[in-house]
Amino acid sequence: DIQMTQSPSSLSASVGDRVTITCRASQDIRNDLGWLQHKPLGWYQHKPGKAPERLIYGASNLQSGVPSRFSGSGSGTEFTLTISSLQPEDFATYYCLQHRSYPLTFGGGTKVEI
Amino acid sequence: EVQLLESGGGLVQPGGSLRLSCVVSGFTFNNYAMTWVRQAPGKGLEWVSSISNNADTMLYAESVKGRFTISRDNFRNTLWLQMNSLRAEDTAVYYCARGAQSLLPDYWGQGTLVTVSS
Repeated sequence: DIQMTQSPSSLSASVGDRVTITCRASQDIRNDLGWLQHKPLGWYQHKPGKAPERLIYGASNLQSGVPSRFSGSGSGTEFTLTISSLQPEDFATYYCLQHRSYPLTFGGGTKVEI
Repeated sequence: EVQLLESGGGLVQPGGSLRLSCVVSGFTFNNYAMTWVRQAPGKGLEWVSSISNNADTMLYAESVKGRFTISRDNFRNTLWLQMNSLRAEDTAVYYCARGAQSLLPDYWGQGTLVTVSS
């Protein structure tokens, strides 16, 4: 099984801050499909009582409708979610998810608090 | 508009059974694999089970294998999770989501709460 280690588990930040969250995979999760290298990792935002919302797919592709202050990067075993300027509506818990192979595995989550 | 609506959660005694449903709309159901994910109180998200678009492949987390069964009806746009031999540690909010290993889950339902307690 691929383990996803997410850090930090929580952080305190202010509106306007730059926030970075990291996920490390226990093995390289790149998926080479001939000429195309697939990065099977995504990031989600989850607020209490609501459905999780996909922010990033393919490690760095912004989901349609998601503000451009969110960005993702990384490859292989290390991946990062960055919020360039934290907004009040961004206070939530964030998760990474690898879909390279079953079982699909989430990071432990990062709670972003004021 | 893509919508997923779970139902069937509730309070059940240890050893009991429940069947969760997820009715979808706004997309061609039989084109997509589907997934169940859960979140126990105070814990993170955990993958539970996935099923291929034509129901020829079903996969389960080790923690539920042999007790839970995922199924679908592509004519009724419905996904199910049959949960047997329930344990206290199965207490969680259960979400259905569109997608699985081949397509990172994108749309999710609001969840249904399952509480296993005597």
